[in-house]
Amino acid sequence: EPEVTQTPSHQVTQMGQEVILRCVPISNHLYFYWYRQILGQKVEFLVSFYNNEISEKSEIFDDQFSVERPDGSNFTLKIRSTKLEDSAMYFCASTGRVNEKLFFGSGTQLSVL
Amino acid sequence: AQTVTQSQPEMSVQEAETVTLSCTYDTSESDYYLFWYKQPPSRQMILVIRQEAYKQQNATENRFSVNFQKAAKSFSLKISDSQLGDAAMYFCAYRTLVYNQGGKLIFGQGTELSVKP
Repeated sequence: EPEVTQTPSHQVTQMGQEVILRCVPISNHLYFYWYRQILGQKVEFLVSFYNNEISEKSEIFDDQFSVERPDGSNFTLKIRSTKLEDSAMYFCASTGRVNEKLFFGSGTQLSVL
Repeated sequence: AQTVTQSQPEMSVQEAETVTLSCTYDTSESDYYLFWYKQPPSRQMILVIRQEAYKQQNATENRFSVNFQKAAKSFSLKISDSQLGDAAMYFCAYRTLVYNQGGKLIFGQGTELSVKP
């Protein structure tokens, strides 16, 4: 089965630093998502991306966050100035159509110290 | 806004027995999808089963089946012949089909299932 690939699997950063989380969605997919999960809590929607623009974002996705699809294959999430509360597992997901199965990556565990 | 509620933080089942995990949701939409995802300790999100709201027939995948009650907005997961490998966190999720909402998933709080040998 095709896979969504996320790198790195773990990232440790200092508070206030910028981080970029990388994802390679499945090649023919059109809809891309970022979710996060704070340890022991539910998975929360951050942002959806379609046709090279954000289609929806949650309240969590404030000005410190941005997404980009720079080269037609990668899909990145940037956190401009990390806070302690940004520590979480970040999942990338993609699908070909909104009524099709959503494929999740294996996640990037971000630890902000 | 849609919400998903899982009222059982933890459940336990004996190996080979059957267990049912509960999920309720709230929406004003008539067409949508519902899902159960399994998250083992590796934290990978694994799709267990999917239900289209327009289908009256309950979805089944091997030992996993759902009881979908659209009017009651209830979507429970039944695991038959439970195995040790079924131990995980289970999330119920709702997916809108409204185009400009991009098909996001809304998750419940999760139910931690333990399986006793």
